[in-house]
Amino acid sequence: DAGVTQSPTHLIKTRGQQVTLRCSPKSGHDTVSWYQQALGQEPQFIFQYYEEEERQRGNFPDRFSGHQFPNYSSELNVNALLLGDSALYLCASSPAGANGGYTFGSGTRLTVV
Amino acid sequence: AQSVTQPDIHITVSEGASLELRCNYSYGATPYLFWYVQSPGQGLQLLLKYFSGDTLVQGIKGFEAEFKRSQSSFNLRKPSVHWSDAAEYFCAVGAREYGNKLVFGAGTILRVKS
Repeated sequence: DAGVTQSPTHLIKTRGQQVTLRCSPKSGHDTVSWYQQALGQEPQFIFQYYEEEERQRGNFPDRFSGHQFPNYSSELNVNALLLGDSALYLCASSPAGANGGYTFGSGTRLTVV
Repeated sequence: AQSVTQPDIHITVSEGASLELRCNYSYGATPYLFWYVQSPGQGLQLLLKYFSGDTLVQGIKGFEAEFKRSQSSFNLRKPSVHWSDAAEYFCAVGAREYGNKLVFGAGTILRVKS
């Protein structure tokens, strides 16, 4: 049974560019959340998707947007990249109503130069 | 505001010694509590979780944690540490009232010396 799958694993972007990160949730999970983890820091909640809608959002600017597809997979988009957006982006999935018991993917390491 | 405190940034223990990692939380709702472990450059692996019921929770890899509501704590313990336990450990809190998003502590880096 595959867990949470994220792609790509690493990428390098230039300041001002746009990036799209992808996440496939664990089988049987329909809720997807995204977290940003800067180097040496704890993960910070970006937003959560359920039933193809953004249900909750953390303290991140509108440059961060997302989408959930009918198959429950999700994308995280970041526009106008800043150097400070360099981080490990973690996707987490759970069954609806699982009381936050999330399964995390291995993350996408984004470096902005 | 919700917050999680892990007072120890680094801890070093000898292989075979016991371990306790501290976690305190401040939450305006009935919390769900988690411990995750992260190896460098990797994602988060769930060690254990507490939703309700028995306050002593058993997890994977021989870890356990005890929820103490009166102390707002959820400390992680292991009776005998192995070199492979060296990693960073995060305590996290969620609550249905806050949409189940997780708030993480700053993490504790565990070093194991042989």
